[in-house]
Amino acid sequence: RKEVEQDPGPFNVPEGATVAFNCTYSNSASQSFFWYRQDCRKEPKLLMSVYSSGNEDGRFTAQLNRASQYISLLIRDSKLSDSATYLCVVNTGFQKLVFGTGTRLLVSP
Amino acid sequence: DTAVSQTPKYLVTQMGNDKSIKCEQNLGHDTMYWYKQDSKKFLKIMFSYNNKELIINETVPNRFSPKSPDKAHLNLHINSLELGDSAVYFCASHLRGSEKLFFGSGTQLSVL
Repeated sequence: RKEVEQDPGPFNVPEGATVAFNCTYSNSASQSFFWYRQDCRKEPKLLMSVYSSGNEDGRFTAQLNRASQYISLLIRDSKLSDSATYLCVVNTGFQKLVFGTGTRLLVSP
Repeated sequence: DTAVSQTPKYLVTQMGNDKSIKCEQNLGHDTMYWYKQDSKKFLKIMFSYNNKELIINETVPNRFSPKSPDKAHLNLHINSLELGDSAVYFCASHLRGSEKLFFGSGTQLSVL
């Protein structure tokens, strides 16, 4: 089983739609969790950290479920500029930050 | 500009050659990484250094040898390049305790 798993997509949604991605992780001792965004041919950039109580940043909401070992990202009111690959990242311990394969989002007019 | 910078941006070479990729960060970070992103876009950790000391080596072939002359630099030397080494290599850094990774813009390596 992979350490971090995501549905690769692509998720094709119209502008204004709400879309959600999930990510599962295998190591129950994992300590911290993040969502990164990667645009085509660019480097990944931190989108948001994921806190146990859930957290929101504008149109983006992240949730963590430790019991089921998954994290989620919800994007409301999708914009064309949200089109990118969203990478789930887990700190499995000892500063080892493991990336999922990414979920590709395509927002169309 | 403050950033993680890596050179070269593109590297095209023949099988069997030896090549190096350089990475420098002027963010004052103490932990640096090399990641490999293959054609399927999977970003896989290769090495991690903290204050010039190797802390993660993810069973990478020993043809790959990282070198950290100081905590602001982490270079990657690859011997006897193979076709399967073709990928984008990303350098990244963070401050210990922060976990927010800052990436370089990547080096696209093509082995012919």
